[in-house]
Amino acid sequence: DVKVTQSSRYLVKRTGEKVFLECVQDMDHENMFWYRQDPGLGLRLIYFSYDVKMKEKGDIPEGYSVSREKKERFSLILESASTNQTSMYLCASRTTDEKLFFGSGTQLSVL
Amino acid sequence: DAKTTQPTSMDCAEGRAANLPCNHSTISGNEYVYWYRQIHSQGPQYIIHGLKNNETNEMASLIITEDRKSSTLILPHATLRDTAVYYCIVRLNQAGTALIFGKGTTLSVSS
Repeated sequence: DVKVTQSSRYLVKRTGEKVFLECVQDMDHENMFWYRQDPGLGLRLIYFSYDVKMKEKGDIPEGYSVSREKKERFSLILESASTNQTSMYLCASRTTDEKLFFGSGTQLSVL
Repeated sequence: DAKTTQPTSMDCAEGRAANLPCNHSTISGNEYVYWYRQIHSQGPQYIIHGLKNNETNEMASLIITEDRKSSTLILPHATLRDTAVYYCIVRLNQAGTALIFGKGTTLSVSS
């Protein structure tokens, strides 16, 4: 089975802090994704990566950056966390037959 | 990617078949229909996908109309654990692109 692991289930940070959300997949997938999910707004795509060192902006990239130095790891970075970035963050990787597998999510609270 | 329309919510009795509809009247010839579901507090889970033919796997069946403008996901014997938000997504299988999730249908299975 594909395993997508997110480093933290719950995270509390202060406004202005730099925050790193880590995601690791164990199936050598080329495509990886970061979404955030908020009540009433559904899942929204932040960034995705289709290869090492390659990235594409999703629908809501503002305030975020990403890093993909190794194939198995895709990091989401909040350069200066703000309260409106309090959300559930979900990482996913995609198989060659186009199936997405998600991690369990990180609930981030920015105070 | 083609837009989809799903009912906001549906109810189903445990043990009965759950039939979840999805309209995608603007679908193009090479776009696939995907279904995912999200159980509360978890990441979305892949269920099934298809292009033209009906598909079945261990989780569900997917019925696509001949004109491909709508589809139905069938859970043959719904259980309480099938209570979730179900997402219907239509997209090209194209490298370097991402799945965009809509609001989905909240299915409530009750005993």
